[in-house]
Amino acid sequence: VIWMTQSPSLLSASTGDRVTITCRMSQGINTYVAWYQQKPGKAPELLIYAASTLQRGVPSRFSGSGSGTDFTLTISSLQSEDSATYFCQQYYSFPWTFGQGTKVEIK
Amino acid sequence: QVQLQESGPGLVTPSGTLSVTCAVSGVSISSSNWWSWVRQSPEKGLEWIGEIYHTGSTNYNPSLKSRVTVSVDKSTNQFSLKLSSVTAADTAVYYCTRRIVLGGNFWPGDWGQGALVTVSS
Repeated sequence: VIWMTQSPSLLSASTGDRVTITCRMSQGINTYVAWYQQKPGKAPELLIYAASTLQRGVPSRFSGSGSGTDFTLTISSLQSEDSATYFCQQYYSFPWTFGQGTKVEIK
Repeated sequence: QVQLQESGPGLVTPSGTLSVTCAVSGVSISSSNWWSWVRQSPEKGLEWIGEIYHTGSTNYNPSLKSRVTVSVDKSTNQFSLKLSSVTAADTAVYYCTRRIVLGGNFWPGDWGQGALVTVSS
């Protein structure tokens, strides 16, 4: 099983700030990483797959990078509507696994 | 536009079998996608349960494999999850999702809105 460490668990930032969330995998997974945004009471929504490919319709302020074991999700200019919990997921080997989530709050 | 919609009983008694169905629209369930189940609870977070291809091939999470059956019904464009011998630890929101396969590559795709299933007597 591939485990991941997602950090931070809580992030508080102001609108316009650049924020970064990281996921570190217990073993190399090439670029088989996805990032999701989840708002309360809603299903996770896919933001990025293949580590850096933006899902259609996702604002360009979201970006992903990384390969191997270390991955990042960056929001270049935080907006109020970005207040949510963000998850990483590896889909390199079964069982697929998810990070524990990062809650992003707007100051 | 692909849409997935879960439906289920909402409440299941301990030691019983949990059943949730996912109705797929906007794409044939016989297309090049794997159809998956993921659950989410405050205690365990997001947990991948398993997936099925329209041919009947399956992949399951080893932690749940002994209790899980995922099936597909091509006539109704639906797929289903059955989880047996449930306990309170199986209380969660159950999501159906898909894994897109294209040109030798694959990646996660759409999610349903989720169905809350509570295990309680």
